[in-house]
Amino acid sequence: GAGVSQSPSNKVTEKGKDVELRCDPISGHTALYWYRQRLGQGLEFLIYFQGNSAPDKSGLPSDRFSAERTGESVSTLTIQRTQQEDSAVYLCASSLRLAGRADTQYFGPGTRLTVL
Amino acid sequence: AQSVSQHNHHVILSEAASLELGCNYSYGGTVNLFWYVQYPGQHLQLLLKYFSGDPLVKGIKGFEAEFIKSKFSFNLRKPSVQWSDTAEYFCAVKGGYNKLIFGAGTRLAVHP
Repeated sequence: GAGVSQSPSNKVTEKGKDVELRCDPISGHTALYWYRQRLGQGLEFLIYFQGNSAPDKSGLPSDRFSAERTGESVSTLTIQRTQQEDSAVYLCASSLRLAGRADTQYFGPGTRLTVL
Repeated sequence: AQSVSQHNHHVILSEAASLELGCNYSYGGTVNLFWYVQYPGQHLQLLLKYFSGDPLVKGIKGFEAEFIKSKFSFNLRKPSVQWSDTAEYFCAVKGGYNKLIFGAGTRLAVHP
C-alpha cells in the first residue's frame, strides 16, 4: 500500500513568515510523529499523536511550533514567524500502535524547509 | 538523559570490505533498538530492529546487528559491502511515549 506522504517536498520562505507542512500517514496507522533533521545532525523528536489522546508535545522547540491532527488522518505542522534556525528537513512517521506490542515507525520523504 | 551515540561520522570503504558501525545508547527502560538507512535521494527506511529475544538480529540486504546489554551497544555489521550500500545510517532507541531517539548518523561511502 501507499507509504507516508508529505507535502510540500521543498519550501523556501522568508524570515518571519508562517509555514504549514502536511503529513498523510499510512492508512490505519493510529500513531503519528514529527521529527526534525538539521544539516549534519540526527533526527530530533518534535511531537507525537496517538489516536484521540492528548499529544506528546515535549519535543517542540518553542511556542512558534504547533501541530494538529484530526482523528487518525492528516496532520499539519505549523511554524509561525519562521527563523533561519528553523531551516531543516521535517520528517513525519506513522506506526500501527497495538496495545502490548512493539511497533515500527515508517517515515515519509520529508519537507525541506529553507528560511532565508 | 536518553541518548544515542554513533562513533563514526564518516566511513569510507572499498567494495567487499567488512563493515561495523558503532552505536551506544543510554536508556534505563525496556530497550527497543533500530537501525535506519537513508540512501541518496531517498527517504529513511528501516534496516533492522531489536525488540526482544535473540540479541543477534538480521535485517535486509545482508545487514545484522548485535544487542549487547552489558555494553549498551547495538553495532551494525555487514561482512562484505557493495557500492549500493553507500548511504547514511542512523541508530535509534525507542524512548518514552514511543518517540525515537536518534544518533547523529554515519555517512558510509563505498568505492568500487
